[in-house]
Amino acid sequence: GEDVEQSLFLSVREGDSSVINCTYTDSSSTYLYWYKQEPGAGLQLLTYIFSNMDMKQDQRLTVLLNKKDKHLSLRIADTQTGDSAIYFCAESIRTGANNLFFGTGTRLTVIP
Amino acid sequence: DAGVTQSPTHLIKTRGQQVTLRCSPKSGHDTVSWYQQALGQGPQFIFQYYEEEERQRGNFPDRFSGHQFPNYSSELNVNALLLGDSALYLCASSSYENLGAFFGQGTRLTVV
Repeated sequence: GEDVEQSLFLSVREGDSSVINCTYTDSSSTYLYWYKQEPGAGLQLLTYIFSNMDMKQDQRLTVLLNKKDKHLSLRIADTQTGDSAIYFCAESIRTGANNLFFGTGTRLTVIP
Repeated sequence: DAGVTQSPTHLIKTRGQQVTLRCSPKSGHDTVSWYQQALGQGPQFIFQYYEEEERQRGNFPDRFSGHQFPNYSSELNVNALLLGDSALYLCASSSYENLGAFFGQGTRLTVV
């Protein structure tokens, strides 16, 4: 079955880089996603990566995928106070109509 | 584009009662999924509707049921509410042409 694990907390100083890690167990995962959840809000899709890719960069966000170790990371460059939120990684074996399996989330705190 | 909209935003029910939550998908999306997010946890997949039929279901009891209407909007019904059903219920819409699911703000259900 699917199991997605994340560390619970991360604190960084404003302007530093943040790296949020995720491990998953389902080798059939085809798509991996990063979502952001601010207090009292729903989930915002940040970025995604196909399982046949190693890296994807989107402005301040860099996603790295190590398929052999089933390890996914999200790097946020020049972290800002507005980046403080909970970040979830999620996996899916299908495109479009998603049955997403989420990790427990990493709470990122940015210290001014 | 209003995105994914859910109603109501908050709801308080008594144990044993029944509740109906509603969701309107993002324009152009034809698939609706429902997730339950308990406090401090990641969202858990309840079920997914496409072409007015339940296509996939997570590990939730039959007390959880749903419906999709011809305009793609959807309802989640929960019968015989338990205290443990207290959670944020998230609706996500998607289409087979697009990657990722777009989430609404959620309905916070409290069962007392």
